[in-house]
Amino acid sequence: DQQVKQNSPSLSVQEGRISILNCDYTNSMFDYFLWYKKYPAEGPTFLISISSIKDKNEDGRFTVFLNKSAKHLSLHIVPSQPGDSAVYFCAASAEAGTALIFGKGTTLSVSS
Amino acid sequence: NAGVTQTPKFRVLKTGQSMTLLCAQDMNHEYMYWYRQDPGMGLRLIHYSVGEGTTAKGEVPDGYNVSRLKKQNFLLGLESAAPSQTSVYFCASGFRADTQYFGPGTRLTVL
Repeated sequence: DQQVKQNSPSLSVQEGRISILNCDYTNSMFDYFLWYKKYPAEGPTFLISISSIKDKNEDGRFTVFLNKSAKHLSLHIVPSQPGDSAVYFCAASAEAGTALIFGKGTTLSVSS
Repeated sequence: NAGVTQTPKFRVLKTGQSMTLLCAQDMNHEYMYWYRQDPGMGLRLIHYSVGEGTTAKGEVPDGYNVSRLKKQNFLLGLESAAPSQTSVYFCASGFRADTQYFGPGTRLTVL
């Protein structure tokens, strides 16, 4: 059973608009959440993270929101740019855990 | 500082052949990981290591073996390759499990 779910395989957005990528999790032991970005033919790169003691973390155009009661997090990109077109993976870990659990990814396409 | 490197970048095997993928990191990380990425399946953990001389199974370990004889290297072996092992393989390393740096990937095709 998937512990980290990204239910939207793809998302298309126009340049300048907001992109919202969603992620749900089932394991209440998860206490740290991350978003990775992956371009074709490259390895994933870390984008932004959030600890379970926070409900929001912002880094430039990227903001991650965490709703623990709903076991839901989202990544907001404002404004979206064509260079943001990539696959975005949500990941989670538990305290003292030894591995990250990844979702299946959402492919974001930003058109100019 | 090269970060995480993977060798080779591409490989084509015939069913039943064996090969070893090499991952090397120069950041003195304790944790190292092997993932495979398949269309629609995301990143699935094959094996991982929390320190030199240690290994552990991940989500999809069958058909693979690993070794971590040196802290900076993590080897992934396929003893008898099968077409189902056609995939893109990523290595990652980190000081902690929740901070991982990925290599560029190895694209493996098994015919």
